[in-house]
Amino acid sequence: GQQVMQIPQYQHVQEGEDFTTYCNSSTTLSNIQWYKQRPGGHPVFLIQLVKSGEVKKQKRLTFQFGEAKKNSSLHITATQTTDVGTYFCALRRDNDMRFGAGTRLTVKP
Amino acid sequence: NAGVTQTPKFQVLKTGQSMTLQCAQDMNHEYMSWYRQDPGMGLRLIHYSVGAGITDQGEVPNGYNVSRSTTEDFPLRLLSAAPSQTSVYFCASSSPGGRAFFGQGTRLTVV
Repeated sequence: GQQVMQIPQYQHVQEGEDFTTYCNSSTTLSNIQWYKQRPGGHPVFLIQLVKSGEVKKQKRLTFQFGEAKKNSSLHITATQTTDVGTYFCALRRDNDMRFGAGTRLTVKP
Repeated sequence: NAGVTQTPKFQVLKTGQSMTLQCAQDMNHEYMSWYRQDPGMGLRLIHYSVGAGITDQGEVPNGYNVSRSTTEDFPLRLLSAAPSQTSVYFCASSSPGGRAFFGQGTRLTVV
């Protein structure tokens, strides 16, 4: 079935550095959603992308959907300690939702 | 507004025991799902339901049963617990095509 591959698995940055996680698929995606899970918490919805080439921003977070709708990225500018957690991309299918493996972000103050 | 409620939060089982993880949502969502989360493997779909009386298997259904007798509730049953089922379990609900709302999770240890 349709799956999404997410890289990197881990990323450790110094506070103030930028961070990017990528989500890739071998097939065209109808949509992509992004979630954040704080340590010890549950996944929380961030955003959904549906259009080819779409770019959405939430403060320091920038989400992109590729022109071919086969990849997506989440970029955080000037990370803060509050950005710590695991970021997941997810494919919303007709009846279910499949998640990437996630990128775990740690931030050194 | 409670959202998605999972119980219990923590559970320790002995190998071979059975138990039910409870999940309830008060948002009148049609779709409900169960995921397990293991280190480095993200969220893997166990079972899902698109409405009362309808359930289907996800990626890793073996060893688990579900039922959906009402819109609100979607319990997950472990028939005979095994150490490989040690994991964190999340229940989620959504409307069709919408975002998923997750419960707080159940941390299960099978010894």
